[in-house]
Amino acid sequence: SQQGEEDPQALSIQEGENATMNCSYKTSINNLQWYRQNSGRGLVHLILIRSNEREKHSGRLRVTLDTSKKSSSLLITASRAADTASYFCATDKGNKLVFGAGTILRVKS
Amino acid sequence: GAVVSQHPSWVICKSGTSVKIECRSLDFQATTMFWYRQFPKQSLMLMATSNEGSKATYEQGVEKDKFLINHASLTLSTLTVTSAHPEDSSFYICSAREDLRTYEQYFGPGTRLTVT
Repeated sequence: SQQGEEDPQALSIQEGENATMNCSYKTSINNLQWYRQNSGRGLVHLILIRSNEREKHSGRLRVTLDTSKKSSSLLITASRAADTASYFCATDKGNKLVFGAGTILRVKS
Repeated sequence: GAVVSQHPSWVICKSGTSVKIECRSLDFQATTMFWYRQFPKQSLMLMATSNEGSKATYEQGVEKDKFLINHASLTLSTLTVTSAHPEDSSFYICSAREDLRTYEQYFGPGTRLTVT
């Protein structure tokens, strides 16, 4: 069963704006990962945040994790048209990933 | 970086036939491989986890006899959809993990299956 819930389901922004996506989960985790999927393609790993970390940065990406609220957010700053894709969070409980429903991001140029 | 390939990238088959999809780790040995299914505009659903040399572990609701998984070597896992029906049409994605000490899974590009 899907553990992660993401919101919004879809997000449309202008190039240059920031995009924020949220993910909530239900049980304890080892880590939480964010992936990107371009239409009809496989997944690209973006960033992993461990359960004992609260924030992590990678380039234009910023991920936060609040284990008390069982939630995470992904912020993409200064968005580009090439960021248009579906974004999924996935919780890792040791041996498998459970994916959220995903957010479809559209960046208009 | 670690690369996972899938073959074929797309396949069309007739109802009642079987289809085999291959997943290969190209530059690393994968102790564990995973098979996911994704319907249009939906998320990935884990179907099964396979470890080299042992039987796959299927998720609840996934028919073992319909989706046969073989992880014959540390670089190859296959998914065979037996007696395919139109409702089996989907995007199948595999991933591979090098060992349990690393959290990262490397995903293949996916296989689009259409059953007519």
